[in-house]
Amino acid sequence: DIQMTQSPSSLSASVGDRVTITCRASQSISNYLNWYQQKPGKAPKVLIYGASSLQSGVPSRFTGSGSGTDFTLTISSLQPEDFATYYCQQSYSAPRTFGQGTKVEIK
Amino acid sequence: QVQLKESGPGLVKPSQTLSLTCTVSGGSISSGDYYWTWIRQPPGKGLEWIGYIYYSGSTYYNPSLKSRLTISVDTSKNQFSLKLSSVTAADTAVYYCARYTRNTIFWAFDPWGQGTLVTVSS
Repeated sequence: DIQMTQSPSSLSASVGDRVTITCRASQSISNYLNWYQQKPGKAPKVLIYGASSLQSGVPSRFTGSGSGTDFTLTISSLQPEDFATYYCQQSYSAPRTFGQGTKVEIK
Repeated sequence: QVQLKESGPGLVKPSQTLSLTCTVSGGSISSGDYYWTWIRQPPGKGLEWIGYIYYSGSTYYNPSLKSRLTISVDTSKNQFSLKLSSVTAADTAVYYCARYTRNTIFWAFDPWGQGTLVTVSS
């Protein structure tokens, strides 16, 4: 199985801050990497697919980058609605695996 | 657009079988290049892919659950189902159904159902 490790596990930030979340795969996954946002009590929704492609309807302040084993999700200017937990997920091979999540909290 | 909704008992006794159904609306389960998926999330924890099924009936399971798992599809009802046998408290989770969708050459879980909490307890 491919292990996905996110860092940090949680962070505190203010509205307007630039936020970066990192995801590392235990082996190369090319750019088969997705990012999801989950708000409390809700299902996750996809933000980024293929490491850097923005899902339709997702604000442009979200960007994804990376390839191989190291990936980042950046929120350029944090908005109140962005406080949530973010997960990376590899679609390179089965079993499909997720990172443990990064909780973005209000400072 | 396509919507998914989970249904089934919210409480299952230890050693019994957990059974859930996902009803797909707004599109046919038989159309397109999709895999119909189950994912779970224990309370306060992360996401675990359980497995998925193609409309033809081909299945792909997480090896960690494979011995206890059956995923099936009923195209006439536009539904797919999950059965997990010999459950323990460790199987307590919110269970989501989702569509594994291809966008260009990349695949992602989109959309998701709202999720249903299943508690394993006597």
